[in-house]
Amino acid sequence: QQQVKQSPQSLIVQKGGISIINCAYENTAFDYFPWYQQFPGKGPALLIAIRPDVSEKKEGRFTISFNKSAKQFSLHIMDSQPGDSATYFCAAPLLETSGSRLTFGEGTQLTVNP
Amino acid sequence: KAGVTQTPRYLIKTRGQQVTLSCSPISGHRSVSWYQQTPGQGLQFLFEYFSETQRNKGNFPGRFSGRQFSNSRSEMNVSTLELGDSALYLCASSFGPGPYEQYFGPGTRLTVT
Repeated sequence: QQQVKQSPQSLIVQKGGISIINCAYENTAFDYFPWYQQFPGKGPALLIAIRPDVSEKKEGRFTISFNKSAKQFSLHIMDSQPGDSATYFCAAPLLETSGSRLTFGEGTQLTVNP
Repeated sequence: KAGVTQTPRYLIKTRGQQVTLSCSPISGHRSVSWYQQTPGQGLQFLFEYFSETQRNKGNFPGRFSGRQFSNSRSEMNVSTLELGDSALYLCASSFGPGPYEQYFGPGTRLTVT
């Protein structure tokens, strides 16, 4: 079964710093890579997603970078804030024998210290 | 537009019992996927339903089953509960089938004692 490999498992950043989370995938049905943010006691919320026609997408302090040849994509959080402390999941539309489905990484627990 | 709703939010069951969880997708969404999330674990895919048909299934035992109704609402059932089934069960809806944008509900926290 294919996987999406996410790193690091946990990350501690000082307020104002840059948080970087990386994901690697195998074979995808197509290029669509979303990131989800989950706070304790809540369901994951779609944060930002990138589609095949661009290699980078920025929304406010959040940027996705996509390297198709390396089969990797990453999330950058600029000027990290304590309110960004959450678990982040990447996802990719992996091909399985039963079809394609969104497959999630194992998550990164981000802590932003004030 | 209302988000994905899941009921109940919390549930305590005894080992050996069965449980049914419910999910109402976002209006207009016809695909519902279910995931199990345990502490320190990622999102483990259970199954996906589209137009009342199971489109995809994860690697879970047959004790886990689901269905979808004509109004796109979905239920999942776990029979003969085990302690290891204690988890947050998440439902996600999307407009169409397959790996597109999914919107999650708040989850049902199941505790098996």
